[in-house]
Amino acid sequence: SQQGEEDPQALSIQEGENATMNCSYKTSINNLQWYRQNSGRGLVHLILIRSNEREKHSGRLRVTLDTSKKSSSLLITASRAADTASYFCATDAARSWGKLQFGAGTQVVVTP
Amino acid sequence: EPEVTQTPSHQVTQMGQEVILRCVPISNHLYFYWYRQILGQKVEFLVSFYNNEISEKSEIFDDQFSVERPDGSNFTLKIRSTKLEDSAMYFCASRANRYDRTSGGAGGLDTQYFGPGTRLTVL
Repeated sequence: SQQGEEDPQALSIQEGENATMNCSYKTSINNLQWYRQNSGRGLVHLILIRSNEREKHSGRLRVTLDTSKKSSSLLITASRAADTASYFCATDAARSWGKLQFGAGTQVVVTP
Repeated sequence: EPEVTQTPSHQVTQMGQEVILRCVPISNHLYFYWYRQILGQKVEFLVSFYNNEISEKSEIFDDQFSVERPDGSNFTLKIRSTKLEDSAMYFCASRANRYDRTSGGAGGLDTQYFGPGTRLTVL
């Protein structure tokens, strides 16, 4: 089954606006992690939210988790051109050895 | 902050050749992973490694693949006979012991930290 499917697939916004992307998954999880990837580069960890948490903040990032709906959202406030990247959610399934299952990602373009 | 390193950054090889991709996980981490990302596609799990043995592997990780932790610092992925479809970015990741509060990174004990990747091109 597919895990960690994001929407939208692509998002184009202007600097200063907020960007929201969503992630849905199918199985029980230990945690859900969000990563950023600049074109052709490595995966940068942004934030982790555990299955018993509902909301978490880190700087301009806000993540929510609704385990009853098996969904999460990532909000980037006051976006900057440097936020242009692909964003992935990855689920760490319950009773696993930490295997992360990634979604296809949301491509975010922030124009000045 | 400590980081995962990978070498080489780019490897070009001929089909049928063996390649070894190298990773140095974060010191004191105990769980190690390999993932790959074919161009334009999602990141896919290959294998997890703990206590000197494979703990889980995906369908992709067939007999052509193997992993090893030859010493206390390196973690390698070997592809015995490369195919064209093995061309991808290969990422190594590591994670602290979930129950060891002294070795977690800033993100917490469950966070997986990824290396910058090795781009493998099979011709």
